[in-house]
Amino acid sequence: NAGVMQNPRHLVRRRGQEARLRCSPMKGHSHVYWYRQLPEEGLKFMVYLQKENIIDESGMPKERFSAEFPKEGPSILRIQQVVRGDSAAYFCASSPPFVDTQYFGPGTRLTVL
Amino acid sequence: SQELEQSPQSLIVQEGKNLTINCTSSKTLYGLYWYKQKYGEGLIFLMMLQKGGEEKSHEKITAKLDEKKQQSSLHITASQPSHAGIYLCGATSGGGADGLTFGKGTHLIIQP
Repeated sequence: NAGVMQNPRHLVRRRGQEARLRCSPMKGHSHVYWYRQLPEEGLKFMVYLQKENIIDESGMPKERFSAEFPKEGPSILRIQQVVRGDSAAYFCASSPPFVDTQYFGPGTRLTVL
Repeated sequence: SQELEQSPQSLIVQEGKNLTINCTSSKTLYGLYWYKQKYGEGLIFLMMLQKGGEEKSHEKITAKLDEKKQQSSLHITASQPSHAGIYLCGATSGGGADGLTFGKGTHLIIQP
């Protein structure tokens, strides 16, 4: 059973461009979580999704950030008009129904030039 | 909102020695998770504790939950170079599936 997969592993964008981060959960996992790890700030929860539904987006910045988990395909975290402060490691985690343990992917390291 | 404080922030231990990392919550703990992160990589799940007084072990790592003190400890016996990394505690704010709140981590270095 493959683990949580994230791609790309590294992403470089110039200010003002869009960044799309993809997450494929483990087989049988219907819950997806996105986290951001900034230097000196630790790992922060952003959003929790189930198939076709956003359950909790309390950690998402109000502007430029959006997330989806469609019926088919990976979950996508989209950052529009990136700024230097968006440079961070973005981690996705997944869990199966009725199980609280979250399993993390290797992360996508976003660098904004 | 819930906050988790880990101590120490960093730890240098000679190979073969024992060590303990602590995680204290500002609120009641419903579920406490321990993860390990190697530099530049993802998080590896170690253990989850849910009940007060619960203790779990995996190989040379033991975690305990003191519900009354809102605290968990992670103890490594006879440390090895493979134990080096960043240890993170995470917690849910309520019952059920939830986004986790994490501590800032403890950087563990094992000296040969």
